[in-house]
Amino acid sequence: GIQVEQSPPDLILQEGANSTLRCNFSDSVNNLQWFHQNPWGQLINLFYIPSGTKQNGRLSATTVATERYSLLYISSSQTTDSGVYFCAVEVDRDDKIIFGKGTRLHILP
Amino acid sequence: DADVTQTPRNRITKTGKRIMLECSQTKGHDRMYWYRQDPGLGLRLIYYSFDVKDINKGEISDGYSVSRQAQAKFSLSLESAIPNQTALYFCATSRGHMTGELFFGEGSRLTVL
Repeated sequence: GIQVEQSPPDLILQEGANSTLRCNFSDSVNNLQWFHQNPWGQLINLFYIPSGTKQNGRLSATTVATERYSLLYISSSQTTDSGVYFCAVEVDRDDKIIFGKGTRLHILP
Repeated sequence: DADVTQTPRNRITKTGKRIMLECSQTKGHDRMYWYRQDPGLGLRLIYYSFDVKDINKGEISDGYSVSRQAQAKFSLSLESAIPNQTALYFCATSRGHMTGELFFGEGSRLTVL
């Protein structure tokens, strides 16, 4: 089956720093999403981004489907950005939606 | 009210007991999913359903069964719970093919002693 790999697995940053999270996938996909899981366990949709670039405030995402990767950028990090970030892909072959293992981000005040 | 509702939110049970986790949605979506989350392993797909008559196994379906009672309801059952099924379980919905933005419930934390 498809492999979805996220890097880095863990990231610790000072408040105000910028970061880039990466998601690589091994097969053709119909679409890709980024989620943030907050410390209370809620999964929050960040971006639905099959291709191209989108921005929402301090966050932006880019997906290059032909090269099988996506990037999530977080600028001017705040402590509320802490949590786990997941990417998920809808597999072209069978429409399954498969997740990576996540990047755990910890923003220090 | 939440668009995707899971019950129960927390459950502690014993090995060998039968457990059902229920999911209902008011989003009018055709597709529903059950995922399991374990620390460090992300979310793994257990079962998914594209409509009432279409149910499919995911990555880790052994030990689980599902029922799609209606478009809005999708239940996950553990026929005989075991301790390594202790996890956080999520239900999710999406509209359809290539419009598959997922929307999650708040999760059901299951502990099997």
